[in-house]
Amino acid sequence: LAKTTQPISMDSYEGQEVNITCSHNNIATNDYITWYQQFPSQGPRFIIQGYKTKVTNEVASLFIPADRKSSTLSLPRVSLSDTAVYYCLVAEGGGGNKLTFGTGTQLKVEL
Amino acid sequence: KAGVTQTPRYLIKTRGQQVTLSCSPISGHRSVSWYQQTPGQGLQFLFEYFSETQRNKGNFPGRFSGRQFSNSRSEMNVSTLELGDSALYLCASSRTGGFTGELFFGEGSRLTVL
Repeated sequence: LAKTTQPISMDSYEGQEVNITCSHNNIATNDYITWYQQFPSQGPRFIIQGYKTKVTNEVASLFIPADRKSSTLSLPRVSLSDTAVYYCLVAEGGGGNKLTFGTGTQLKVEL
Repeated sequence: KAGVTQTPRYLIKTRGQQVTLSCSPISGHRSVSWYQQTPGQGLQFLFEYFSETQRNKGNFPGRFSGRQFSNSRSEMNVSTLELGDSALYLCASSRTGGFTGELFFGEGSRLTVL
């Protein structure tokens, strides 16, 4: 199983770009990388998913280097409402049972 | 459209009792998966059901079980509760199953074992 680690916490200010890295040294060939956001008393919410290189959607970008042993979630121009816990998830493609959540990163955005 | 609904939202049990939690997925979603979230262990996968069949299972003891009905609603059961079972139990639904693609999570059922 892929073992995933993340920084425990990060602080930022409104309008800045935030990059959160997840380390997954044992990622397998079939594993996808997904990022979720979680607010207190709510379930996680999907942000972005990728397999290699770079993926971008309307809220974030995901950078995955060639060796795929890490991934970086990039949030452009954060706001106070982005204060939340962010989790990476490494999961085996094809419906296998390999599923590992990262330890979670508490992002705090201030004015 | 309605999101994933979990009931009950909060419950308190004592050691040795059993508990059943319910999850109604988004309409049209055939996969339901369950997770345990605790401050110490973080988010951990319990099991996944697709079209009434358990497809994947995490590393939890047999006291944790689940099932899925023909309408895709799912229940999980924990028997012989232990103090360490106190946690937020989350379910998620998806259209295709597996863990690629977007999982839609409910707000969770918070279980306290005394």
